[in-house]
This record gives sequence, structure tokens and C-alpha cells, in this order.
Amino acid sequence: EAGVTQFPSHSVIEKGQTVTLRCDPISGHDNLYWYRRVMGKEIKFLLHFVKESKQDESGMPNNRFLAERTGGTYSTLKVQPAELEDSGVYFCASSQDLGQSEAFFGQGTRLTVV
Amino acid sequence: KQEVTQIPAALSVPEGENLVLNCSFTDSAIYNLQWFRQDPGKGLTSLLLIQSSQREQTSGRLNASLDKSSGRSTLYIAASQPGDSATYLCAVDNYGQNFVFGPGTRLSVLP
Repeated sequence: EAGVTQFPSHSVIEKGQTVTLRCDPISGHDNLYWYRRVMGKEIKFLLHFVKESKQDESGMPNNRFLAERTGGTYSTLKVQPAELEDSGVYFCASSQDLGQSEAFFGQGTRLTVV
Repeated sequence: KQEVTQIPAALSVPEGENLVLNCSFTDSAIYNLQWFRQDPGKGLTSLLLIQSSQREQTSGRLNASLDKSSGRSTLYIAASQPGDSATYLCAVDNYGQNFVFGPGTRLSVLP
């Protein structure tokens, strides 16, 4: 069974550009989460999908970030326009049952904004 | 607001030693607690999941305990090996919504 996969693994963009990160959760997992770690800080929650619906987006830093999960399968996280402070590692995770089962994380996308 | 701390921040031990990593959280109303390891430049690998109704979980040389009332969890690693070197993260699941992560313990096991 494939795990959570994220694409790209690395992205270097200039300030003001747009970047789209993709996450493919484990098949059958309704819950999909985005987290990020910025330099020197803890991993922080961004948002949570249940199927295609946003269950909780309280961690999204501002309106430059847009997450979608069309059809309840893969998800994208778009940053537009990117700022220097958006640099970090963006992790995606999925789980089967809310609060009851393990969460499985992807390898992360390392975003560098220059 | 849930806060998670981990001590020590870093630990270096000779191969073969048993060791304990500590995790503390401020709000005891949790759904579960999960321990992860992260190797440099890699993603997070799930080690153990403890439900709020459980006291401990074991997997191989790893044993994790949970004391909800005192807001503590420990990860015990028996007979440590150089391959155990990594950062160990404790994450608390609040109400089944999302994880709050601790800062991690960076472990080095010396051959």
C-alpha cells in the first residue's frame, strides 16, 4: 500500500511567485491534514479536510494560502504570492478515523522563497 | 490552548543503553498521543499511537506510556542502537481535530 506522497520534494521560488504543493493521501483515508515547520520552530497545524470539506482551517496563516481537495482525493496547497517567511517544510498527513487511528505523514515539501 | 514540551532537547548515549524521552502537555482532554521519529531531511515516521483510554503501547524495543491526568507521556527505548539516532517528536491529538507537536528530542546513539 502506498503511503502519503507529496510533490514536489523541493521547490525554490522567488518572492511574489506562486507555488502549488500537492498531496496524495493513503487511499481510503477521509481525513487529510496540512502542517508546516518553519525554520527553528515546531511543526504547526494548517488545516484539516474531511473528504472534500474543510473541517478546520484555523491554522492557515493568511489569505495568501489556499487549500483545495476536489473530489475528496488529493489535495493542493497554493501560496500566492509567496513571501520570504513562507519558507519551510510543508507536511501532509492522512488518517482513516477521526481521532481514533494513526496519522501517516508524507515526506514533506521543502519550500524556499528567495 | 494546548502546549507540548519535550525534554531533553538533545541526548547522546552510547550504544546499548536504555533511555527515556519525556513529553508533557498542558490540556489533559486529548483523544490520543502519537510518537514519531524524523530522520534528517525526511518525513515523519509513526512509532506508536496511544489512545486516551490506554496506558501504554509497545512495539519491539519501544514502549510508550501515557498518564493523562498528569499530562505526561514517556517513550522508552531499550538497548539503543546507532540506527535509533533521529529526532523524536511527541504529538497530542486534541479532540480528534489536529496534532499539537512538541519541539522534539534529538537523539544520538554512539557506536
